[in-house]
Amino acid sequence: EAGVTQSPTHLIKTRGQQATLRCSPISGHTSVYWYQQALGLGLQFLLWYDEGEERNRGNFPPRFSGRQFPNYSSELNVNALELEDSALYLCASSLLYEQFFGPGTRLTVL
Amino acid sequence: AQSVTQLDSQVPVFEEAPVELRCNYSSSVSVYLFWYVQYPNQGLQLLLKYLSGSTLVKGINGFEAEFNKSQTSFHLRKPSVHISDTAEYFCAVTTNTGFQKLVFGTGTRLLVSP
Repeated sequence: EAGVTQSPTHLIKTRGQQATLRCSPISGHTSVYWYQQALGLGLQFLLWYDEGEERNRGNFPPRFSGRQFPNYSSELNVNALELEDSALYLCASSLLYEQFFGPGTRLTVL
Repeated sequence: AQSVTQLDSQVPVFEEAPVELRCNYSSSVSVYLFWYVQYPNQGLQLLLKYLSGSTLVKGINGFEAEFNKSQTSFHLRKPSVHISDTAEYFCAVTTNTGFQKLVFGTGTRLLVSP
């Protein structure tokens, strides 16, 4: 069974640009969670999608947004990038109470 | 709201020695507890979880943890560590409701030396 996949592995952008990160969940999982792991800030919950709808979001500004497609894959968009957005972005798909994480996308904002 | 405290930011230990990584949580409702491991430049891998039942939980790679409700703790243990166990370990909590965002501790770096 294939695990959670994320693309790209690395992404380099300049301040003010937009970044798009993608996540494919494990087959059969309908929930996708996004987390940010920034240096010094730990792992923070970003967004939760379930059955195509945004169900909840963490304490992040509106320029962090995303969507979930009919096949349950998900996209995270970060607009107007700031230097402090540099982080590892982790996606997790969920079945019942267990979350399975992908390898992450390392976003670097210059 | 839930919170997790991992008091030890770094734990150095010699190979084949036992280790305990501490985790305490706070919550006003019932919780599920998890330990994840993160190797450099990788995502998180689930080591073990406590959902209900026996308070002693066994996971992968020889790790185990004990849920102590009275002390609100979920400490991770391994009787004999290997060099390959060097990694960052995260304790996490979520509630048994529909919305299950994970709240993570700040992590403990386990450094195993020969």
